[in-house]
Parts: sequence; structure tokens; C-alpha cells
Amino acid sequence: DVKVTQSSRYLVKRTGEKVFLECVQDMDHENMFWYRQDPGLGLRLIYFSYDVKMKEKGDIPEGYSVSREKKERFSLILESASTNQTSMYLCASSSWTSSAKNIQYFGAGTRLSVL
Amino acid sequence: TQLLEQSPQFLSIQEGENLTVYCNSSSVFSSLQWYRQEPGEGPVLLVTVVTGGEVKKLKRLTFQFGDARKDSSLHITAAQPGDTGLYLCAGVSYGGSQGNLIFGKGTKLSVKP
Repeated sequence: DVKVTQSSRYLVKRTGEKVFLECVQDMDHENMFWYRQDPGLGLRLIYFSYDVKMKEKGDIPEGYSVSREKKERFSLILESASTNQTSMYLCASSSWTSSAKNIQYFGAGTRLSVL
Repeated sequence: TQLLEQSPQFLSIQEGENLTVYCNSSSVFSSLQWYRQEPGEGPVLLVTVVTGGEVKKLKRLTFQFGDARKDSSLHITAAQPGDTGLYLCAGVSYGGSQGNLIFGKGTKLSVKP
């Protein structure tokens, strides 16, 4: 079974703090994604990566950055957390090369509250 | 910008009732996926439909991909409390970025005993 692990289920941070959200997948997937999920707005893509050290902006990258130093790990960074970044953050991975291409496997999510 | 419109946004029904969730777009997709997300968890894939007009069944769930590959529906027969969750449709567009999906906003289903 594919496993996508997000380091924290719940996080509480203060405005202005630097926040790191970590995601690790164990299936050697090329693609990794970070989304935020808010009521009424659905899943919105923040950043994605097709390969190590590669990153692409999604629909709402402002206020976020990412890092992919190893194939299995994709980190989301909030440089200076703000209250409007309070949300559920979901990491996903997929493979372009397997027969299950385009299927995204999600972590359980990190619920971040910025006070 | 490609969009997937899901309806209804919320659905609250009694156990044993039938329901249908719709996913519509003006764009053509190469395939369409349905995910279910339970509270406190990430979405999990239920099914992928690839061919226009395709119908797939998963126990009491029936998925259909429109002939023109622009829309899809999910029908649940005799809903049970275990079907409660957020149902998301997601489209794979032709020529889109590698691996990216276009997600609908979801249908939140509550099935009461």
C-alpha cells in the first residue's frame, strides 16, 4: 500500500512564525503536491514538484515556499505565518510512469491554526 | 481555466435512500476520478473512469462518465451511515501539467441512521 505521511496532524502557531510542514511518501513517486482545503473552496493547489529539486507554482503559491531535496520528501514552508493561512493542508503523491498514473495518494492532513 | 462544478454541495438523507451526485464541466477530460474523504483523513480514490459513456460499479456505488467526457455522476443505492463523507470528483485534462488534477469543490454527504 502507498503511504503518504504528514509529520503533524495538528499544529498551532503564532502570527509571524516560520512553519514547516513535512510530507514523506514511500512509493518512489515522481510527483508530489501540496494543497490547502477550506470549507466552500475545495482543494486548492499550492505547489507541486515533478522531481527532486524541482518545483512549480500552483494556483495559490503566495506566502508559501517548498523544498524537495530528496525524492520521498516534500516540505511546505510558511515563511511568516498569517491568520489567513489557518487551514487543513494536504500532501499527495502520484506516479507518472506506473499503470496507476494520475491517481493521487493523500496524507491524512495537517490542521494548522495560526493565532 | 478549467472548472469542475459539483452538485449538490450538501446532502443529508436517511439510511436506505438513493442519491446522485453530479460533476459537470464545459471542458473535456481524458479521465475522471472520484475520491471520498472521511472526517480527519485525506481523500481516497474510489474509481477512475476513462472512456466516454463508461459505467463502473463498486458495490452500491455506480459511476458514469458522460459520452462527451465533460461530466460524470455518482449514484448511491440504499445509502448507509458508512457512506457519510465528502465526495470529490477530479479531472485529468488533455495536455495539462503532468499529474495535475482539476478538483471539484465536493459534495458533503450525511446519512442518518
